[in-house]
Amino acid sequence: ETGVTQSPTHLIKTRGQQVTLRCSSQSGHNTVSWYQQALGQGPQFIFQYYREEENGRGNFPPRFSGLQFPNYSSELNVNALELDDSALYLCASSLGSGGPQDTQYFGPGTRLTVL
Amino acid sequence: GESVGLHLPTLSVQEGDNSIINCAYSNSASDYFIWYKQESGKGPQFIIDIRSNMDKRQGQRVTVLLNKTVKHLSLQIAATQPGDSAVYFCAESGVATDSWGKLQFGAGTQVVVTP
Repeated sequence: ETGVTQSPTHLIKTRGQQVTLRCSSQSGHNTVSWYQQALGQGPQFIFQYYREEENGRGNFPPRFSGLQFPNYSSELNVNALELDDSALYLCASSLGSGGPQDTQYFGPGTRLTVL
Repeated sequence: GESVGLHLPTLSVQEGDNSIINCAYSNSASDYFIWYKQESGKGPQFIIDIRSNMDKRQGQRVTVLLNKTVKHLSLQIAATQPGDSAVYFCAESGVATDSWGKLQFGAGTQVVVTP
């Protein structure tokens, strides 16, 4: 176990709705990263937060946003859901500032289905 | 663009044999490489990592080899067991500012261990 938890486990939404996914990092881990994993593919980097500020972002539109809180929890928010947003959403926490050699430990993911 | 990819989508291995999973990368600026194992319904689990200043690194039953000349990474699993059945991902990160904190994953290799 990595000590990283995510909620909910599964979620079903309809197109156009908004969703909030939650993650609890390992205690002491200052950095959280979020990834989207479509079925049969590798995870795709969405963004990363370090000490409550975004410090890296992948190729995702602004309707994907996040928050990180001082208690090692974080959120991923997605507005105006589209069918292609259906995926497994993973968060990963790391001890350092999120640099290239900062090992990321993943949670079990939230399976989002958009109908 | 830069990518990390795997040569074989599925690898069938007999229990007790050694497994070799290959990965090619194209970003010469990559300096950190990680192998993750993902079982069905779970998040990626860290297996082993290697820095670009190393050619080989060993863990428990696993060895990672890095050949920077041909931009190739491999994961060797000794005495493969049924519990090794999973999808294996290689991931890389680099020091370029625009990739800070971003892990780039390959598509994955499904390893199936047969009795």
